[in-house]
Formats: sequence, structure tokens, C-alpha cells
Amino acid sequence: QSILTQPPSVSGTPGQRVTISCSGSSSNIGSNTVNWYQQVPGTAPKLLIFTNTQRPSRVPDRFSGSKSGTSASLVITGLQSEDEADYYCSGWDDGLNGLVFGGGTRLTVL
Amino acid sequence: QLRLQESGSGLVKPSQTLSLTCAVSSGSIINSGFSWGWIRQPPGKGLEWLGYISQSGSTFYNPSLKSRVSMSADRSKVQFYLRLMSVTAADTAVYYCARGSGRTVLDYWGQGISVTVSS
Repeated sequence: QSILTQPPSVSGTPGQRVTISCSGSSSNIGSNTVNWYQQVPGTAPKLLIFTNTQRPSRVPDRFSGSKSGTSASLVITGLQSEDEADYYCSGWDDGLNGLVFGGGTRLTVL
Repeated sequence: QLRLQESGSGLVKPSQTLSLTCAVSSGSIINSGFSWGWIRQPPGKGLEWLGYISQSGSTFYNPSLKSRVSMSADRSKVQFYLRLMSVTAADTAVYYCARGSGRTVLDYWGQGISVTVSS
């Protein structure tokens, strides 16, 4: 059971908009920033969104992040087949005094 | 483009110590402004943070592993290390090293090394 809760899977068709949620608590998302990682199966994770909403320069603006209270969301617009991957949210937990990850969400592009 | 590369034994016997090295392609580790961490991923499962060594050389570990894990760095070789003692089958995973911007933003990752714990 992960400290941060994500849906196990989401799906969409090319061009659609999908949202992946990440639910936490006051000791993690509620008091610290959230980062998102994309992992294509068989490869290492890559940083997708940092500090709730910021994108590394190499990440297209189809990807966006937000945070409200103890929850965060990753939105992907204009879905493409290459977006098919696992997505993880992550943040510091003050209670555990450590970095925690969500359980991951598998995105399938139909 | 910064590159990180994990190396070490891919097979460790139960109760022994897992030892991995992460080589950084450029720059320095100590006083670099960045932290240097380890994350693992058991087969078919999600990511688990193991800990990191800060730019000053201080270490921070996952509380669930604290008694078994240690991390260190060699500034002259631009490498950092992971040791996990008394391993069991539950420690079988792909182990990644990563650079941290601050304590939480893992902006560069190694390709990962698969470690199996088995007799």
C-alpha cells in the first residue's frame, strides 16, 4: 500500500485529454511539492513535472501538473501513442521523513 | 548531458551484502549543489526510495531500511555507493541511481541494474 494513491490504470484515444490523480495527506502533498515521473516499460523513469507545475525544457507542454490541498493531478492533452507508459507521483513525507512514491498509473493509448 | 551508470553484482546470496556503484559522467558529487540517491523497483512493482547522500556528504535513508542500508561517495572518482546488508528475496529489484535537485526532484537517472537475491 503506497502512501500516495494513484489509479492503477487510465486509458484514452489519440488526441484525447487524460487526467491522472495522486492523493496524499497533510504530511506529504499537503505540505510539500509534488513531482511526476514517466516510465516507459523496460526503461528508467524520467522527470516529467517538478515542483507541482514546472516542466523540464525537453517535456512538451501537452503535459501539465497541478496541486490542490492534499491532492495533485497530471493532465495530458492531445494524447499520443508515445505517451503510453507508467506515471508516478512523488513527494516528501514529513511524518516518515522520507521520499514517497505513488503506486503508479499505467496509461494505455487505445 | 549528465550520465549516471550503475554497476555491481547482479546476483547476491541471501544474508549477504548488496554493493552497487554509480559512476557520474562529469562534475563532482560533494559540494555540487545536488544530492545523489538510490531508488529501486521490484519486478512488476512501483518505485521505492532508498535514500540519498547530500552535497555535504550527509546521508538520509528510508526509515524502513535504515538499519541495513548505507551510502557513501568518493569525490575523487566521482562515484557514489550503495550497500544493503542482510538481503533477502524481497530485495530483488532493479536498482537506479539518480541525481537530486534538492531532496526530492530526481532529474537524472541511471539506466538501472537488475539485482537478484538467490542462493
